[in-house]
Amino acid sequence: AQTVTQSQPEMSVQEAETVTLSCTYDTSESNYYLFWYKQPPSRQMILVIRQEAYKQQNATENRFSVNFQKAAKSFSLKISDSQLGDTAMYFCAFLMSQGAQKLVFGQGTRLTINP
Amino acid sequence: EAGVVQSPRYKIIEKKQPVAFWCNPISGHNTLYWYRQNLGQGPELLIRYENEEAVDDSQLPKDRFSAERLKGVDSTLKIQPAELGDSAVYLCASSFYSNTEAFFGQGTRLTVV
Repeated sequence: AQTVTQSQPEMSVQEAETVTLSCTYDTSESNYYLFWYKQPPSRQMILVIRQEAYKQQNATENRFSVNFQKAAKSFSLKISDSQLGDTAMYFCAFLMSQGAQKLVFGQGTRLTINP
Repeated sequence: EAGVVQSPRYKIIEKKQPVAFWCNPISGHNTLYWYRQNLGQGPELLIRYENEEAVDDSQLPKDRFSAERLKGVDSTLKIQPAELGDSAVYLCASSFYSNTEAFFGQGTRLTVV
């Protein structure tokens, strides 16, 4: 079974700083997808960024980028120039490309951006 | 385009009472998911539909939980009778296909007292 581990329950940085959230996963599959979701107090899970395992190039979306290390099964999220609106819970998630089609989530990291 | 719509946003019930949650997925999305999120944890899948067929309900507590997806569109999740441990946020999500990214609704926060 696939597992996702986020080792940082909480993080806090000052506005405009850069912050990196860690995620590791365990799978025997070679083809899969990885995601970072943001969950603000409104509770809605919002997709931040997506990475296909077959792609060597790290995904980027504006201020958000990932460091995908397939051999190490590591998938960290970097937020540059952090903003107050980035304050939220962040979840790393794994999805197999075939077979059991369900997102497996980590425990989450509570990120607080301070003014 | 409207996102995934869930109702109600909040529900407080006494234990042993029934409760139902409703979800309207994004138009055209074939796959619908119900997740349960306990406080301080990540969501966990309860059931996945491909159109109107429940293809993964292995984590659904079938003695008290039931779900249906009418005509492959809207879905209802029911709990009867509710227990104190059912207090959680219930999230609905949909995707075009099951190996594409899922879009989530705002969830229903259930409190059982």
